[in-house]
Amino acid sequence: GQQVMQIPQYQHVQEGEDFTTYCNSSTTLSNIQWYKQRPGGHPVFLIQLVKSGEVKKQKRLTFQFGEAKKNSSLHITATQTTDVGTYFCSSRFGGGGSNYKLTFGKGTLLTVNP
Amino acid sequence: GAGVSQTPSNKVTEKGKYVELRCDPISGHTALYWYRQSLGQGPEFLIYFQGTGAADDSGLPNDRFFAVRPEGSVSTLKIQRTERGDSAVYLCASSLFGTTANTQYFGPGTRLTVL
Repeated sequence: GQQVMQIPQYQHVQEGEDFTTYCNSSTTLSNIQWYKQRPGGHPVFLIQLVKSGEVKKQKRLTFQFGEAKKNSSLHITATQTTDVGTYFCSSRFGGGGSNYKLTFGKGTLLTVNP
Repeated sequence: GAGVSQTPSNKVTEKGKYVELRCDPISGHTALYWYRQSLGQGPEFLIYFQGTGAADDSGLPNDRFFAVRPEGSVSTLKIQRTERGDSAVYLCASSLFGTTANTQYFGPGTRLTVL
């Protein structure tokens, strides 16, 4: 079935280092969402991208949607301990009336050493 | 309300028992979703309600799972004859409408453990 693949599965960094996680699909995506889930918490919406080549920034976070709309990335500059958590990408597959269902990747678990 | 709420936060039950999990969506949100999250995985879609009706229940694993939303607000996920494999975190989400433009906001989840 339709799915999104995320890499890496885990990433451990020193505080202050940068971090990037990637989301890939074999099919063209109409949209992509990024969520953050803290340990023991629930997914918290970060952003949605819909346009080819779109780049959005939120403070130290930069989100990008590929030109072919088959991949996306989330980059964090100068990580902090508060960035710890699992970052998920998701997409809505299907046109017409079925574009409500989110399909999630397996996530990238980020740990930060202070 | 301020966000999506779910009760109970934790539920421990024995194999074969019946459980009900409750979701209270954000006020005014017409769309409600249930997802299930196993350890180390992303949430997996179970069912979607638009108003009172289940518009898509294709993610329910089998007929032991059932969900209702009788008044178009609170929803209850019901699991009969629970099995150990049902152990997971059950997440509820809501959005203003069930379309691409509308963000899905998740509740804190109910952690179900079947012994």
